[in-house]
Amino acid sequence: DQQVKQNSPSLSVQEGRISILNCDYTNSMFDYFLWYKKYPAEGPTFLISISSIKDKNEDGRFTVFLNKSAKHLSLHIVPSQPGDSAVYFCAAGGNRDDKIIFGKGTRLHILP
Amino acid sequence: DAGVTQSPTHLIKTRGQHVTLRCSPISGHKSVSWYQQVLGQGPQFIFQYYEKEERGRGNFPDRFSARQFPNYSSELNVNALLLGDSALYLCASSLVAGANSPLHFGNGTRLTVT
Repeated sequence: DQQVKQNSPSLSVQEGRISILNCDYTNSMFDYFLWYKKYPAEGPTFLISISSIKDKNEDGRFTVFLNKSAKHLSLHIVPSQPGDSAVYFCAAGGNRDDKIIFGKGTRLHILP
Repeated sequence: DAGVTQSPTHLIKTRGQHVTLRCSPISGHKSVSWYQQVLGQGPQFIFQYYEKEERGRGNFPDRFSARQFPNYSSELNVNALLLGDSALYLCASSLVAGANSPLHFGNGTRLTVT
């Protein structure tokens, strides 16, 4: 049973435009949601997170939106840059549950 | 500051053998987690250790075990290797346990079982 779902395996976006990566979850007990970015031959790198009590968190070019009623979150990257080409993982966890559950990832291609 | 370091980077083993993977966390981080990533999937949780005690265990068989040492480094052991154990094994450290303490990953150990 996949508790964190990323339904788009890949996404292509023109450089300078907005990239929107989506994620759905099934467990309403999650307290935190996180986005990680992964380049080939490297481990995932933490990007941004959001607490379940908030609906938006912004850090530079990255903004995460949380819609609890829809059990949906999204990562917005604007403007998209060539270095943003990577695999993005959505992840979620609880304060008491020590495991973080990851989605399958979305490969983002930034086109010149 | 050094990031999370894992050794070895690559490993080839034969079915039935045993393997030990090692991880050094970021200085000051007391929690270490292990994840398995197979091609096309996200990382899957195996273990979390905090202050040398097991805090969580994922849905993996008893062939998988781990421990954390007094200096907070950690080892993941896998016995009786199967072909399906071939994967990238990721270690991550965090300041404390809990989802609000982001994980910092190493570059992983690529295990191939033949």
